[in-house]
Amino acid sequence: AQSVSQHNHHVILSEAASLELGCNYSYGGTVNLFWYVQYPGQHLQLLLKYFSGDPLVKGIKGFEAEFIKSKFSFNLRKPSVQWSDTAEYFCAVNEAYKLSFGAGTTVTVRA
Amino acid sequence: EAQVTQNPRYLITVTGKKLTVTCSQNMNHEYMSWYRQDPGLGLRQIYYSMNVEVTDKGDVPEGYKVSRKEKRNFPLILESPSPNQTSLYFCASSFSLTTTDTQYFGPGTRLTVL
Repeated sequence: AQSVSQHNHHVILSEAASLELGCNYSYGGTVNLFWYVQYPGQHLQLLLKYFSGDPLVKGIKGFEAEFIKSKFSFNLRKPSVQWSDTAEYFCAVNEAYKLSFGAGTTVTVRA
Repeated sequence: EAQVTQNPRYLITVTGKKLTVTCSQNMNHEYMSWYRQDPGLGLRQIYYSMNVEVTDKGDVPEGYKVSRKEKRNFPLILESPSPNQTSLYFCASSFSLTTTDTQYFGPGTRLTVL
């Protein structure tokens, strides 16, 4: 099975700070990559996804992610976070019929 | 409204008492799956189904059963629940997983096994 690693378990930052969450995966073949977000008490929602083409992917709410194939990485970024970005963020990798998730990174944004 | 529904949302039960968590989607999706979410472990796939009568094991299938008799429903069955199955369970669906379709998640079922 795929192995998906998220580098940080918990990130705390202030509003307007920049955010970068790391994600690495283990499979060397063709993969599809996703970032999901889970706001407190809610279910998972898709932030963005990468299939092919431009390795810089833009998603909702000002998030973007960069796929670097040589590093097996798909890092999530946001230039300026808001309090409402407080949530848990999951990287996921799709290989054939299976979707593997990372352990998640909890992001706390202080007003 | 397009959605994935799960019932019950919360359940407290005792070891060994069979239970079923239902999952239903109204989007005519081919693919459905079950995950459990545990702190520090993220989401782990239990079972998935690519279509009616087609199911397969995910990464953590032990202690669980599923069935897919209708396209819209994908119940998760715990024949003899144990405390290590205490977790938050999510059902998800997508039109197809072999494409790059987004998975739509249900609201979750928080299960406690005493």
